[in-house]
Amino acid sequence: AQSVTQLGSHVSVSEGALVLLRCNYSSSVPPYLFWYVQYPNQGLQLLLKYTTGATLVKGINGFEAEFKKSETSFHLTKPSAHMSDAAEYFCAVRGTGFQKLVFGTGTRLLVSP
Amino acid sequence: DSGVTQTPKHLITATGQRVTLRCSPRSGDLSVYWYQQSLDQGLQFLIHYYNGEERAKGNILERFSAQQFPDLHSELNLSSLELGDSALYFCASSVGPANEKLFFGSGTQLSVL
Repeated sequence: AQSVTQLGSHVSVSEGALVLLRCNYSSSVPPYLFWYVQYPNQGLQLLLKYTTGATLVKGINGFEAEFKKSETSFHLTKPSAHMSDAAEYFCAVRGTGFQKLVFGTGTRLLVSP
Repeated sequence: DSGVTQTPKHLITATGQRVTLRCSPRSGDLSVYWYQQSLDQGLQFLIHYYNGEERAKGNILERFSAQQFPDLHSELNLSSLELGDSALYFCASSVGPANEKLFFGSGTQLSVL
């Protein structure tokens, strides 16, 4: 079965600082990996996804993530945080075929001025 | 706006009651997924329908049921409600059956008193 572990339920950064949100996955098959963002009082929105091919994936709003098979990781980064990045971020994994999408427990990003 | 519509936005009811949550997917999307989000359980997959047929079941209680109608909208029925059913219920849709990119609605906040 597939699963993801997000390290840190809360991450605090200053505006302009590097954002690093950690995600490790467990999968018995080549995984499809996703990062979703949830702004207050809204549904989840896809930031980026990795299926096959290039291991460095660029998403919306300046975020990117790198798939590292040797480390079973898919960490999300952004070089410079904005106040508008404050939200909850979810890592998710799906196996091949029609398997369900499994979400991590989420990491709340706090951005201070 | 994701294009996925969920009604109602808020629902307050009493224990033992039955409620129906409604979801209209994005135009052209054939898949509908239901998720439950709570503080203690995180984001839990409930059920997936594709073009009217059940595709996958997750941690859905027997007191809960869902269906997808010919016009592709979906309803999630929750019966014999308990305090622990209080949560945010999300509907998501995708084009095909393999949930590569999900579009989420804004959710229905259910409060069982």
